[in-house]
Amino acid sequence: SQTIHQWPATLVQPVGSPLSLECTVEGTSNPNLYWYRQAAGRGLQLLFYSVGIGQISSEVPQNLSASRPQDRQFILSSKKLLLSDSGFYLCARLDNRYTFGSGTRLTVV
Amino acid sequence: DQQVKQNSPSLSVQEGRISILNCDYTNSMFDYFLWYKKYPAEGPTFLISISSIKDKNEDGRFTVFLNKSAKHLSLHIVPSQPGDSAVYFCAADTGNQFYFGTGTSLTVIP
Repeated sequence: SQTIHQWPATLVQPVGSPLSLECTVEGTSNPNLYWYRQAAGRGLQLLFYSVGIGQISSEVPQNLSASRPQDRQFILSSKKLLLSDSGFYLCARLDNRYTFGSGTRLTVV
Repeated sequence: DQQVKQNSPSLSVQEGRISILNCDYTNSMFDYFLWYKKYPAEGPTFLISISSIKDKNEDGRFTVFLNKSAKHLSLHIVPSQPGDSAVYFCAADTGNQFYFGTGTSLTVIP
């Protein structure tokens, strides 16, 4: 199984509050993991990817960060959320194609 | 720079008719193309793919066509069903990274 667990499903946070979204994956070890964001009316934007524990590459400069403390765990964080951080966040793993998690709908108010 | 483009943000089709979703790309190094389907509040799910060595791949009601000279990809759904209503993303792969289009929202009218 290449299941991806992502939580929470929905989240409403005030501006300036911290954020932590967690993603865990099952299946083969040492997967390539990704965080994508789908903002309203826009496509899928790659935020971070990781090829292994502690290895994080950032695609877009912003107030978000990512960490990979364990092989099958990928965390998206922010110290202070902005209104523009609202969107649908997707965790994904890449084997021969992407498999996506169910997503987290984040609304910053 | 958007390397994969879906110029139609939305499409409406009558049930039973053909749905054609289009995708254009700019990078000639792309060698693998995919279509994903996404329902609201869910992650995208893989639908169909095609390698750059082919020009057509068919899976049931879904057919993907690739025109390399035009750098154009299309997804045909025949016959369209109300359950096909979703956002469709095309994606292209260089072997190192995937690039997604901005999506086309398909509505199949019963």
